[in-house]
Amino acid sequence: GDSVTQTEGQVALSEEDFLTIHCNYSASGYPTLFWYVQYPGEGPQLLFRASRDKEKGSSRGFEATYDKGTTSFHLRKASVQESDSAVYYCALSVSGGSNAKLTFGKGTKLSVKS
Amino acid sequence: EAAVTQSPRSKVAVTGGKVTLSCHQTNNHDYMYWYRQDTGHGLRLIHYSYVADSTEKGDIPDGYKASRPSQENFSLILELASLSQTAVYFCASSLNTGQLYFGEGSKLTVL
Repeated sequence: GDSVTQTEGQVALSEEDFLTIHCNYSASGYPTLFWYVQYPGEGPQLLFRASRDKEKGSSRGFEATYDKGTTSFHLRKASVQESDSAVYYCALSVSGGSNAKLTFGKGTKLSVKS
Repeated sequence: EAAVTQSPRSKVAVTGGKVTLSCHQTNNHDYMYWYRQDTGHGLRLIHYSYVADSTEKGDIPDGYKASRPSQENFSLILELASLSQTAVYFCASSLNTGQLYFGEGSKLTVL
């Protein structure tokens, strides 16, 4: 079945550090890829998405590029802030053109200290 | 005002008891979902629905039932709660775009 692998379970950084969270996927079809963010005490919310190879998604200083060749969608931010502390989920959908059913990775908890 | 509301937000249940988690959305979305969140497992899909009076199994449906009596309401039912079902449960709605709108979660503890 379809799956998403996030390498890092936890990441601890200082403000202004560079962030990379690795996401690799396995899918039977041509997936749409997503990054979701979950702040403490809240439900996850969409950060951004990408639907085709080489497309870059971005929001709030975060970005990721769809790479079909390496089946990856790594999340990056040049300079993190304490307010970025949250859990980040990579996800995909492959449903014959429908984006109804999402498969999520296990999540990466980001902690940023000032 | 929250568009996806879950109740109860927290519940303690006894093993073998029945638990119903309720979800109400005001987004006018066709799709609704129940996910389970566990440390080390992330978010896993239990059941979902794309129309009233119909539900579909997700990736981990065993031990759970779902009910969608109207477009706005979607319930998750644990007929015989077990210790392994202790988790945080999230309801979400969607327009089938991949953008899910989640509620704030329901923390279930089974003793």
